[in-house]
Amino acid sequence: GAVVSQHPSRVICKSGTSVKIECRSLDFQATTMFWYRQFPKQSLMLMATSNEGSKATYEQGVEKDKFLINHASLTLSTLTVTSAHPEDSSFYICSAPTGTGGYEQYFGPGTRLTVT
Amino acid sequence: GQQLNQSPQSMFIQEGEDVSMNCTSSSIFNTWLWYKQDPGEGPVLLIALYKAGELTSNGRLTAQFGITRKDSFLNISASIPSDVGIYFCAGKAYTGTASKLTFGTGTRLQVTL
Repeated sequence: GAVVSQHPSRVICKSGTSVKIECRSLDFQATTMFWYRQFPKQSLMLMATSNEGSKATYEQGVEKDKFLINHASLTLSTLTVTSAHPEDSSFYICSAPTGTGGYEQYFGPGTRLTVT
Repeated sequence: GQQLNQSPQSMFIQEGEDVSMNCTSSSIFNTWLWYKQDPGEGPVLLIALYKAGELTSNGRLTAQFGITRKDSFLNISASIPSDVGIYFCAGKAYTGTASKLTFGTGTRLQVTL
């Protein structure tokens, strides 16, 4: 299957600082990528759709000024958690669709963010 | 947001047993995907289903796209310890790369020797 990478895999930051998470499609181009958040023992919740060359689309309840998304190229999307607080601690996962019609969606390995 | 209902929530089975889990929705989907997630990792795509009634296998895994397009099931035959993990179903209502996935609530599988 297609490969999606994320960096970093783990990050610990202090409250009030910003953290950037990168998502790359390694062997295909992605005009669209998706960012999810997952709390322990729960399912994945979609935060936003990242669109190459245009603004991201955020799901209801997700603060766009807090979770900044930039889709800089056809293989890279970044999520920046600004002014992080302990309640932002979570597992963040990106994904990218590929295949004919974009039917299949591949996920990155995830980034564990801990805000102290 | 909307989530699909998956059952059972968790299963505790013995190695060698067959496993069955399903996923239901109140709305129609055009694509069903099944994923497995290990602790601390991202979901890995197991099987993709594109047409109502479609039955697809991937090794010991078999999945079906329900005729009503509102459900899907996943079977695992002759389970082994490495099958442990959380299995998620996911549905896509529309085609195209911008179409969002709706995830199921997950089935946690534990396998004993």
